[in-house]
Amino acid sequence: ILNVEQSPQSLHVQEGDSTNFTCSFPSSNFYALHWYRWETAKSPEALFVMTLNGDEKKKGRISATLNTKEGYSYLYIKGSQPEDSATYLCAPHSGNTGKLIFGQGTTLQVKP
Amino acid sequence: NAGVTQTPKFQVLKTGQSMTLQCAQDMNHEYMSWYRQDPGMGLRLIHYSVGAGITDQGEVPNGYNVSRSTTEDFPLRLLSAAPSQTSVYFCATTNHRGPGEQYFGPGTRLTVT
Repeated sequence: ILNVEQSPQSLHVQEGDSTNFTCSFPSSNFYALHWYRWETAKSPEALFVMTLNGDEKKKGRISATLNTKEGYSYLYIKGSQPEDSATYLCAPHSGNTGKLIFGQGTTLQVKP
Repeated sequence: NAGVTQTPKFQVLKTGQSMTLQCAQDMNHEYMSWYRQDPGMGLRLIHYSVGAGITDQGEVPNGYNVSRSTTEDFPLRLLSAAPSQTSVYFCATTNHRGPGEQYFGPGTRLTVT
């Protein structure tokens, strides 16, 4: 079983602030790293799937980087908006079975 | 194209009762999985399947059974419900065994009294 750590557990920021979260995972047997966005009362939705060391992906104001050698990924949100309020989950993926083990998530609250 | 559907949306059971949570997908995905979501615990993998006829245990399989007789359906059975199984259950699918993103169903909220 993979040991996945996300920090911080929760975060409160003001609208317009930029912020970032960390996902730490065992670097051995790495296959891919997923980031999901999960709004209250909805289902998780995929943000990024990253596979290569040094990968950097971007979707609008949200971007992510990956370091497979040291076992971490950062998720950045530039100029946070209230609609960014959600829980952000990371899930490393070892082997090619499709099996994901999720971290506990970082819950972001953006105040107008 | 409905994507991933789950039924029921809500269910209340008494301790010891049995029930089946249904999950169906019309995306022809090989991989399907069941997660439970509990406060402060994130999503925990219960069981998963890499194709029809093949299932395996996840992180928290005790108290749950699964089977996969078709590509489309992956039901989760609670044989004797316990209050510890009160949770929100999500089914998810992905299009191949590689690193493809997972698509989640809308969830089933289960309360066991």
